[in-house]
Amino acid sequence: ILNVEQSPQSLHVQEGDSTNFTCSFPSSNFYALHWYRWETAKSPEALFVMTLNGDEKKKGRISATLNTKEGYSYLYIKGSQPEDSATYLCASPRAYSGGSNYKLTFGKGTLLTVNP
Amino acid sequence: DVKVTQSSRYLVKRTGEKVFLECVQDMDHENMFWYRQDPGLGLRLIYFSYDVKMKEKGDIPEGYSVSREKKERFSLILESASTNQTSMYLCASSFWPGRQVVYEQYFGPGTRLTVT
Repeated sequence: ILNVEQSPQSLHVQEGDSTNFTCSFPSSNFYALHWYRWETAKSPEALFVMTLNGDEKKKGRISATLNTKEGYSYLYIKGSQPEDSATYLCASPRAYSGGSNYKLTFGKGTLLTVNP
Repeated sequence: DVKVTQSSRYLVKRTGEKVFLECVQDMDHENMFWYRQDPGLGLRLIYFSYDVKMKEKGDIPEGYSVSREKKERFSLILESASTNQTSMYLCASSFWPGRQVVYEQYFGPGTRLTVT
């Protein structure tokens, strides 16, 4: 089973702070890295799908970077707001069906709480 | 907008009962997945399906079975519910073009199952 690790497990920040957290994954046979946001009482929602080393993606105040050679991705939130409070999950695909289809292995997530 | 719906948000069942959890997606996705989420363990894959009547075991299939009679519907079955199956169950779907591309997964709202 692929090992996908996230740190820290939880994080409390004040409104307006910028923050970041890490996802580590095996660098061999890398194919893609997903980030999801899971707000309480809602469904997990995809933020980014990243595939290329050095990739940087941005959605509003949230951005992510990818280093496939060393096996990590950072998620950054600039100027955190209370509505950013959620669990942030990363996931890496494992090949299935002769390598043409994939299933995801998820990290345990980082729980972010933004205090007003 | 992709929509994944699950039959119940909350369910309480007795030990030994047969339990059906239903999931429906409206975007003609090939792949469908069942996960369970437990504190400290993250999202773990129970079963997935890449086509009608096709299924594959995930990481924790013991005590579960699945059914996919129609492309849009994927059911998770607990043949004889046990207390250790008390958990949050999430269904997800994703597009698969039949070749080596990984698309994001779309999740349902989850079913919180309690087995007493």
